[in-house]
Amino acid sequence: EIALTQSPGTLSLSPGERASLSCRASHIVISNYLAWYQQKPGQAPRLLIYGASIRATGIPDRFSGSGSGTDFTLTISRLEPEDFAVYYCQQYGTAPPVTFGQGTRLEIK
Amino acid sequence: QVQVVQSGAEVKKPGSSVKVSCKTSGGPFSNYVLSWVRQAPGQGLEWMGEIIPMFGTTHYAQKLQGRVTITADESTSTAYMELSSLRFEDTGVYFCARGPSYYDSRDADYYYTGLDVWGQGTSVTVSS
Repeated sequence: EIALTQSPGTLSLSPGERASLSCRASHIVISNYLAWYQQKPGQAPRLLIYGASIRATGIPDRFSGSGSGTDFTLTISRLEPEDFAVYYCQQYGTAPPVTFGQGTRLEIK
Repeated sequence: QVQVVQSGAEVKKPGSSVKVSCKTSGGPFSNYVLSWVRQAPGQGLEWMGEIIPMFGTTHYAQKLQGRVTITADESTSTAYMELSSLRFEDTGVYFCARGPSYYDSRDADYYYTGLDVWGQGTSVTVSS
């Protein structure tokens, strides 16, 4: 089973600042099948990035994904007030097909 | 626009079963993988399993093997997740989501999309 470790657990930043969230896999993620999701309280998660770097439909270009193999990063170039939420990475592979990271909470400083 | 709508909240007793439905509209159903994800109160996301309706193929999280069953009805574009032998720790919100891949019969291959459309979530409370 591929385990995903996200860091930091909590990130405190101000609007306008740049955020970098890390996701490290215990084994190579095949074909870069790595996605990022945003979740706000009381809501379903929302797909931001898939294939490690492809923005989902309707996602602003301040969100970008990078990385390959076992190390991946979600970057938010300039934080907007609505970006403060919890972010999860997720890999899709084999045995079991899907695992999630434990999440990074992005809070207003 | 593709929408995924889930059934309503459930309150169940320990040892009983719950069955949650998930209806897709506005887009293809049969050739998309449909996943179930749950979230305990204040906790992260936990993948439960998936199905691809056109083949009926399922995969389940090892932790839930033997207790979870995912099915799909192509005629109504509806998927179901049944969880049996409920325990207090099964309390949480259960989501279905389209993806993370779909099957293209033109080239007999799967394409990765991420979990791109989510249901609104179904609260399941296990209480005596």
